[in-house]
Amino acid sequence: QKEVEQDPGPLSVPEGAIVSLNCTYSNSAFQYFMWYRQYSRKGPELLMYTYSSGNKEDGRFTAQVDKSSKYISLFIRDSQPSDSATYLCAMSGGSGAGSYQLTFGKGTKLSVIP
Amino acid sequence: ETGVTQTPRHLVMGMTNKKSLKCEQHLGHNAMYWYKQSAKKPLELMFVYSLEERVENNSVPSRFSPECPNSSHLFLHLHTLQPEDSALYLCASSQDMVTNYGYTFGSGTRLTVV
Repeated sequence: QKEVEQDPGPLSVPEGAIVSLNCTYSNSAFQYFMWYRQYSRKGPELLMYTYSSGNKEDGRFTAQVDKSSKYISLFIRDSQPSDSATYLCAMSGGSGAGSYQLTFGKGTKLSVIP
Repeated sequence: ETGVTQTPRHLVMGMTNKKSLKCEQHLGHNAMYWYKQSAKKPLELMFVYSLEERVENNSVPSRFSPECPNSSHLFLHLHTLQPEDSALYLCASSQDMVTNYGYTFGSGTRLTVV
């Protein structure tokens, strides 16, 4: 079983739509959850960071973590063409060697159509 | 210049060539990383350096040889690569090795092995 599962898409939505991106994971030791955005021909950039369970909001973006279900989500409200990118979930935590390492999902490619 | 800079942006090399990828960070970070990004696969951690010492080698073949001469520079020396090594190679840095978020990535080197 893969540690982090993420639907690669592609996902295509009209401008203004609410976008929901999700990841599931198997390692219950994960405590730190991140979303990275990667534009074409660029490296990933950190978008949202959440520790443990709960919600975090930043402008049009909301990150949710449900540790009991091992499920994390990123919501984008009023999506814009500039949101078109690949979104990568990443997580880390636990104890022992390597606990600091980030485990990434495969990424979901999002296209927002004007 | 700020952030993480990688050169070259694109590289085509034959299977018998020797080449090097360069990464430079201007953030004052103490940890640096090499990642491999292949299509439809999660980011794969290759090497981790903390204060210029290699602390992680994730079963990477010896045809990849990292070098960290100081905390601002990281190299990946390549020799006798295989076509399956074609990928985007990303360098990242963070304040320290145990930082579970806040990785800053470079734009990557797109490597094609022919």
